[in-house]
Amino acid sequence: GAGVSQSPSNKVTEKGKDVELRCDPISGHTALYWYRQSLGQGLEFLIYFQGNSAPDKSGLPSDRFSAERTGGSVSTLTIQRTQQEDSAVYLCASRGSPHTTGELFFGEGSRLTVL
Amino acid sequence: TQLLEQSPQFLSIQEGENLTVYCNSSSVFSSLQWYRQEPGEGPVLLVTVVTGGEVKKLKRLTFQFGDARKDSSLHITAAQPGDTGLYLCAGVPTDSWGKLQFGAGTQVVVTP
Repeated sequence: GAGVSQSPSNKVTEKGKDVELRCDPISGHTALYWYRQSLGQGLEFLIYFQGNSAPDKSGLPSDRFSAERTGGSVSTLTIQRTQQEDSAVYLCASRGSPHTTGELFFGEGSRLTVL
Repeated sequence: TQLLEQSPQFLSIQEGENLTVYCNSSSVFSSLQWYRQEPGEGPVLLVTVVTGGEVKKLKRLTFQFGDARKDSSLHITAAQPGDTGLYLCAGVPTDSWGKLQFGAGTQVVVTP
């Protein structure tokens, strides 16, 4: 597709389980962002990739969260030993421009519910 | 504590009224962006402002970037129900290259 693709769109898991969320950015986009959004709230920055490297991981809430990006394309956000407070919509965005003034294109998000 | 503070958090108005949303910070930004998000979708870019004092108009929407590049406002004239959505400002602090941060958003509801 032409846009940012995220999967799964919905994930229900039990507390303590691990989950993986996938983001397929727009082809050729070098910058990739992960954000977390709780119901009706703004976006909480998690991590940012430029190519395969992550210059800034300061937004990851705890060491249970990790993310990687391979081949400068697909990214995976992994949450280990999920907790109820991890429930949120996880949004991925990509940007084609090397400049930070460039537009971010967002996926529709992965809604995570931890029971 | 949010780096970017938006106000008000919620705004409900009648069709045809005007509204203004504010985005403030103590940090200086190289640029600020405004996005609009509708339920079940990701945010969509409305505008980017890069120069202190800059004013941009997009049909009935007017965006302003403060002279000191620490704040911005969004003004909607003669609001329509289609303007309903969550309005988010976002910026990269000058000391934090690449880390685009968002405000908490302003939920705008325009009723016919």
